[in-house]
Amino acid sequence: GALVYQYPRRTICKSGTSMRMECQAVGFQATSVAWYRQSPQKTFELIALSTVNSAIKYEQNFTQEKFPISHPNLSFSSMTVLNAYLEDRGLYLCGAREGLGGRQYFGPGTRLTVL
Amino acid sequence: GQQVKQSSPSLTVQEGGISILNCDYENDMFDYFAWYKKYPDNSPTLLISVRSNVDKREDGRLTVFLNKSGKHFSLHITASQPEDTAVYLCAAGASSGSWQLIFGSGTQLTVMP
Repeated sequence: GALVYQYPRRTICKSGTSMRMECQAVGFQATSVAWYRQSPQKTFELIALSTVNSAIKYEQNFTQEKFPISHPNLSFSSMTVLNAYLEDRGLYLCGAREGLGGRQYFGPGTRLTVL
Repeated sequence: GQQVKQSSPSLTVQEGGISILNCDYENDMFDYFAWYKKYPDNSPTLLISVRSNVDKREDGRLTVFLNKSGKHFSLHITASQPEDTAVYLCAAGASSGSWQLIFGSGTQLTVMP
C-alpha cells in the first residue's frame, strides 16, 4: 500500500539553529509534495507545494529563504527550517500525492520544539 | 482570510445520536472536499471525500453533503460512538493544476457514553 514516512518524528533545536526534516513516499510516485505546519492552537497551514519538474510554490508568509525544500525524485522530499525561533515550533506535516487526481497521503509529522 | 472555515470549535453529542460537522469555503475553484479525523499527536486520516460533481456521498455511518451554491459542506456521523471522539478537520482543494489542500481549523467532537 501507499505510505508516507517522515523523519525525525520529534526534534528539539536551539533558537537560531536549523533543522532538516525528511519525507519518504513508499508504494506510489510522489508527483507533488505539500508541506504543512500546525502551530500550537492553530490549524494546518500550507507552507509550500513542490511538484517534480516545476518550481516550488510558497504560500504567503513562507519563503524559500526560511524553508528551503528539495524534491529530487518521485519518492523523497526534504525541508529545512533555517534559523528556527519559538514561532517555528509545531507539527510539520508532509502530504504526497501521485498525479493530479490522486489521493493525498500524509506522513506522521515531525514535531519541532525550539528552545 | 481563511479559505476554509469551521465555525464550531467543539461539538458534544450523546452516544447513538447524529454528529453534524460543518465547513464553509471561499474559493470557487475548489472541486475536492474532504473530511479528516485527527487524534492527538497523530497526522490526520482521510475519512471521506467528494468531488464537486456530486452533492452527497455515503460510506457506512458517514455522509458528506455538498452545497456548492452555498459554498458549504458537512459531515454527518450517524449512530455516534465514544470512539468517534476526535478532532475533525475539513479540507478543500482545486484539482486543476498542482492543487493544494487547505484545511479548516478543526472541530473537537466529543461523544458522551
